[in-house]
Amino acid sequence: EAGVTQSPTHLIKTRGQQATLRCSPISGHTSVYWYQQALGLGLQFLLWYDEGEERNRGNFPPRFSGRQFPNYSSELNVNALELEDSALYLCASSSEVSTEAFFGQGTRLTVV
Amino acid sequence: GESVGLHLPTLSVQEGDNSIINCAYSNSASDYFIWYKQESGKGPQFIIDIRSNMDKRQGQRVTVLLNKTVKHLSLQIAATQPGDSAVYFCADRLSGYSTLTFGKGTMLLVSP
Repeated sequence: EAGVTQSPTHLIKTRGQQATLRCSPISGHTSVYWYQQALGLGLQFLLWYDEGEERNRGNFPPRFSGRQFPNYSSELNVNALELEDSALYLCASSSEVSTEAFFGQGTRLTVV
Repeated sequence: GESVGLHLPTLSVQEGDNSIINCAYSNSASDYFIWYKQESGKGPQFIIDIRSNMDKRQGQRVTVLLNKTVKHLSLQIAATQPGDSAVYFCADRLSGYSTLTFGKGTMLLVSP
């Protein structure tokens, strides 16, 4: 069974541009979570989607947004990129509220 | 948990030793706890989880202990191997919510 897949693996953008990151959850999982991991830091919660709806949002500005599609895959969009947005963006999925979350390998976003 | 700073706590052990990694969580309403292992350049990998109605759970070479009185979680790794070298994160989840809150992580270095 395929795990959580993220694309692209690496992304380089210039300041002010927009970035789109994609995530495909494990088959049968309806919840998708996005986390930001800046270099040397822990995981900061960004967004949680379940059944196509945004369920919770972390302490990030509105230029971080996303959506979940009917097939439960998800996109994370970051507008007006800033240098500080450079980080590893991790997606995780789970099958219901109370079970463990499985992570993808992440997208390394570099803003120059 | 809360991620802070650029310097992760580090635990250095010899191959074959037992390792104990500790974690404190802040919210007494948390009812679910997970340990993840993250190797360099990869996404977090699920190790073991425990619910708040338990105080101990064992897996293969790993044991998680939960002390709700002092809001403390520990991960014990028996017969530590060089392949166990990684950053270990604990995470907790509030009852009724699905978002995981991650601790700052501990780097485990295993010498042959």
